[in-house]
Amino acid sequence: EVVMTQSPATLSVSPGERATLSCRASQSVSSNLAWYQQKPGQSPRLLIYGASTRATGIPARFSGTGSGTEFTLTISSLQSEDFAVYYCQQYNNWPPALTFGGGTRVEIE
Amino acid sequence: QVQLQESGPGLVKPSQTLSLTCTVSGGSISSGNYYWSWIRQHPGKGLEWIGYIYYSGTTYYNPSLKSQVTISVDTSKKQFSLKLSSVTAADTAVYYCARNSGYDYFDYWGQGTLVTVSS
Repeated sequence: EVVMTQSPATLSVSPGERATLSCRASQSVSSNLAWYQQKPGQSPRLLIYGASTRATGIPARFSGTGSGTEFTLTISSLQSEDFAVYYCQQYNNWPPALTFGGGTRVEIE
Repeated sequence: QVQLQESGPGLVKPSQTLSLTCTVSGGSISSGNYYWSWIRQHPGKGLEWIGYIYYSGTTYYNPSLKSQVTISVDTSKKQFSLKLSSVTAADTAVYYCARNSGYDYFDYWGQGTLVTVSS
């Protein structure tokens, strides 16, 4: 199983500042990496797939980089609606063994 | 716009079988481009993929849950279903259904349903 490790567990950021979230895979997943945002009481929402491609309707302030085992999600200027938990997910294996990271909570500083 | 909606009992007794159904609207469950997944989230915890099914009935399961899980599809009703056998309190979670893109990320999600395992 590919283990996904996210850091930090909690990130305290002021509105308007940049947030940088990390995701590390226990083995290479190439660029087969997605990011999701989850707000309290809601289902996750796809933000990024293919490590760097924004999903439909996702604002440009969200960007993803990385390949292999190291990935980053950057939110360039945090808006109030961006405070949430963010998960990474790898989809590199066949047969599939899809795994998520443990999440990073972005909170208001 | 594709929409998914989970349904099923919110309370299941230990050792019994958890059964949930996901109804798909706004799109075809028989499209050859997608798989249809179940994912769960234990209270206050992260996400765990349970497994998925293709419209033809081909299934793939999380190896850690494979012995407990059965996923089936009814294309005429635009539904797919989850059965989780011999449940314990550790199976208490919010259960989501979701659509997998052709590359196995999840592009549409249901709202989720909380299932509690308790006597």
